[in-house]
Order: sequence, then C-alpha cells, then structure tokens
Amino acid sequence: DSGVTQTPKHLITATGQRVTLRCSPRSGDLSVYWYQQSLDQGLQFLIQYYNGEERAKGNILERFSAQQFPDLHSELNLSSLELGDSALYFCASSPGLGQGETQYFGPGTRLLVL
Amino acid sequence: GQNIDQPTEMTATEGAIVQINCTYQTSGFNGLFWYQQHAGEAPTFLSYNVLDGLEEKGRFSSFLSRSKGYSYLLLKELQMKDSASYLCAVRASGSARQLTFGSGTQLTVLP
Repeated sequence: DSGVTQTPKHLITATGQRVTLRCSPRSGDLSVYWYQQSLDQGLQFLIQYYNGEERAKGNILERFSAQQFPDLHSELNLSSLELGDSALYFCASSPGLGQGETQYFGPGTRLLVL
Repeated sequence: GQNIDQPTEMTATEGAIVQINCTYQTSGFNGLFWYQQHAGEAPTFLSYNVLDGLEEKGRFSSFLSRSKGYSYLLLKELQMKDSASYLCAVRASGSARQLTFGSGTQLTVLP
C-alpha cells in the first residue's frame, strides 16, 4: 500500500458524459501527478500540481482538467468522453520537487466508456 | 523531447538472472527510475539512479551510464512473482518533476 488513495476504483459511463476522478496523496506530500495508461499508449503523463498550483502539463486533452485543493487532494475531470478515453488513470504523489524524490502511485481508476 | 526504448517481452526461468535494458534520449536528464507493475495494478518503485554506476537493493540492481544513455535492471534468483511489466522512466531536468515512461518490458518467469 503506497498511501495514495484513488476513488472510484471502477467507472463505467457513456460517450459524451463527464466524470471526476479523485486522488488523495500520501500524508505530507505536496506534489500530485496524473497519468493515463491505455493498452496501446503505455503510461502517459497528464498533469502535475504542487501545493495547489499547476506545475507541468503533458499530453492532456483540452477536454480534461484537474485541480488540487487546499487539503492537497486532487481531482481529474474528464468531459465529452470518447471511447478512446477508456484507460487506467493513475495518480501519484511525492513530497515536493526534490531531485531524488520517488513518485508513489495510487491503485488507479479503471474507466470504461461505452 | 524524450525517447525511451526497452524490449517488449522477455522470458526467463525461475532461479535464473535476467537483465532488462533501457536506452533513452532526453533533452535534459535528472534521474532514471525503474518500476514494477503487475497487470491491472499500480506501478511500484524499484530503484533510482542519477549518477553513473550500480545501485543494489536485495535481488534487484540497477545500472546507469549517462554518457551512453543506458540503464539496466538486473533481477537475480527469479521467482514466479517477478512475472510483471518493468517500466523504465526518465525524469527531465527543470523545475517540474514528471516522469516519462518507456512502454515497459513484460517479463514472464517460467517454472
């Protein structure tokens, strides 16, 4: 158990819908990262937040957005869902921005868009 | 940009030693990580290298050569539970700390 929690574990929805994925980082960690893992794309970095502020953006679609709240939990919002958005979505956290910091991953949310 | 290459699949026998290679090209380098991922589960941290050389941690060792853009993960005394995907990830230089992952090497350990 990494200490990172994600809800829900599974999500089934229809195309065109909107969903929110939630992540609570390890106690004391200020950085949160979101990744998408699909069968054909591998693990892709989406976005990073540090202490409530967006720090880096990867291959995140405009239909997707995220935020980190004052209690440091984070939410990833996916809208106008398409079949291709079906994937595992992982959240990871690390203490801050230190060079040698390890990212610890949550159990993931499996999203299925029908 | 960054490019990370590792073999797609490897097979080894229980009790043996296996080496999983990773080559990378980056515009800046700030460390290399190895993660293990069982199917449908979260990646779990195995090792971190930022300087050249070998880091040993129990049955697992990781090596880095920055000049060659090369790393390997060495697994000794293989066990059936080591069957998993092994992900090589590079951290770029700069203020952000996101990782770029390779596609992973699926290791199958046979009895």
